[in-house]
Amino acid sequence: DVKVTQSSRYLVKRTGEKVFLECVQDMDHENMFWYRQDPGLGLRLIYFSYDVKMKEKGDIPEGYSVSREKKERFSLILESASTNQTSMYLCASRRNLNQETQYFGPGTRLLVL
Amino acid sequence: GENVEQHPSTLSVQEGDSAVIKCTYSDSASNYFPWYKQELGKGPQLIIDIRSNVGEKKDQRIAVTLNKTAKHFSLHITETQPEDSAVYFCAASTAGSARQLTFGSGTQLTVLP
Repeated sequence: DVKVTQSSRYLVKRTGEKVFLECVQDMDHENMFWYRQDPGLGLRLIYFSYDVKMKEKGDIPEGYSVSREKKERFSLILESASTNQTSMYLCASRRNLNQETQYFGPGTRLLVL
Repeated sequence: GENVEQHPSTLSVQEGDSAVIKCTYSDSASNYFPWYKQELGKGPQLIIDIRSNVGEKKDQRIAVTLNKTAKHFSLHITETQPEDSAVYFCAASTAGSARQLTFGSGTQLTVLP
């Protein structure tokens, strides 16, 4: 089974802090994704990565950056956290561009005070 | 870009009854339509999908139908059980967009015993 793990289930940060959310997958997948989930808005794509050191902006990249130095790890960075970034963050992976199924981690619920 | 609308946002059914969730999409080039189920405290998980060359697909108690002309697709769950209670997301993707998924806003299904 594909396993996608996220470093924290719950996180509380202060406005202005730099926040790192980590995601690791164990199935040698090429593609990885970061979404945020908000009530009534579904899942919105923040960034995705085709492969190591490659990244593409999604629909809502403002205020976020990402890092993919190793194939199994995809990090989401909030350079200066703001209260409107309080949300559930979901990481996903996919084998490659020829496959459609995305496998999700359990999510990190971030509260910015 | 693609826009996916999902209805209803909440749905309550009696155990044993059927449940139907509907989605519409805007991009006629979309050709892949998955449904994800998110149980409490977990990430979304693919439960069924359909491609644009097929009108209907079944997997035990769940089925998905697709009407390309009207650009809508639906999830049907028969003989609902308490464990079907979850949030369901529809999504659409286009081969030309690196198969990114655009998600609907989600439906909270509650199966009442």
